[in-house]
Amino acid sequence: SAVISQKPSRDICQRGTSLTIQCQVDSQVTMMFWYRQQPGQSLTLIATANQGSEATYESGFVIDKFPISRPNLTFSTLTVSNMSPEDSSIYLCSVATASVGNTQYFGPGTRLTVL
Amino acid sequence: AQSVTQLDSQVPVFEEAPVELRCNYSSSVSVYLFWYVQYPNQGLQLLLKYLSGSTLVKGINGFEAEFNKSQTSFHLRKPSVHISDTAEYFCAVSDALIIQGAQKLVFGQGTRLTINP
Repeated sequence: SAVISQKPSRDICQRGTSLTIQCQVDSQVTMMFWYRQQPGQSLTLIATANQGSEATYESGFVIDKFPISRPNLTFSTLTVSNMSPEDSSIYLCSVATASVGNTQYFGPGTRLTVL
Repeated sequence: AQSVTQLDSQVPVFEEAPVELRCNYSSSVSVYLFWYVQYPNQGLQLLLKYLSGSTLVKGINGFEAEFNKSQTSFHLRKPSVHISDTAEYFCAVSDALIIQGAQKLVFGQGTRLTINP
């Protein structure tokens, strides 16, 4: 499976600021996804990062709040904009190739605390 | 739309005892099923997956799961647990269609497995 890294691994931010999270994969992948895991909760899909085009957002998530870039097949960024304490979560990227099962593999996550 | 229900939010077990973590799903189409494990302060690691074929699938760390289509279940089992199995376990489902947008995973709420000595 692919090796996935995320930067930063954790951060503490002030209300009203923005943070950009990077996801890097060691091989080309078809699909990249961004998930949010709120404290003590399960994972919720934020969006699918599409290479060379706008991300596809899930209900309840908007581009102005969570802009996503994917300039190539191995890299994506998620920005959490105008943060509030409710944005404190773990943000995880995952990747998949277009194979049977489309198995997703996850990065180590970015633990964000907003004060 | 799919949904996943993990019937137990917490499961305490003694070391070397067997364990079963329950997962039921709902879907109008064929699905792929997955179990992931999340150790403290880490990302998710794939334990095992069911795509097709044999309904009993074996994964890493001695875990196995059985797909039961009639009961729409995919329960995870291990015959003898270790302290190191203490973690959060997530069941997930995806649509079994290889088209863009169909690959997203829907997760259950997770089961916290605690192994006591």
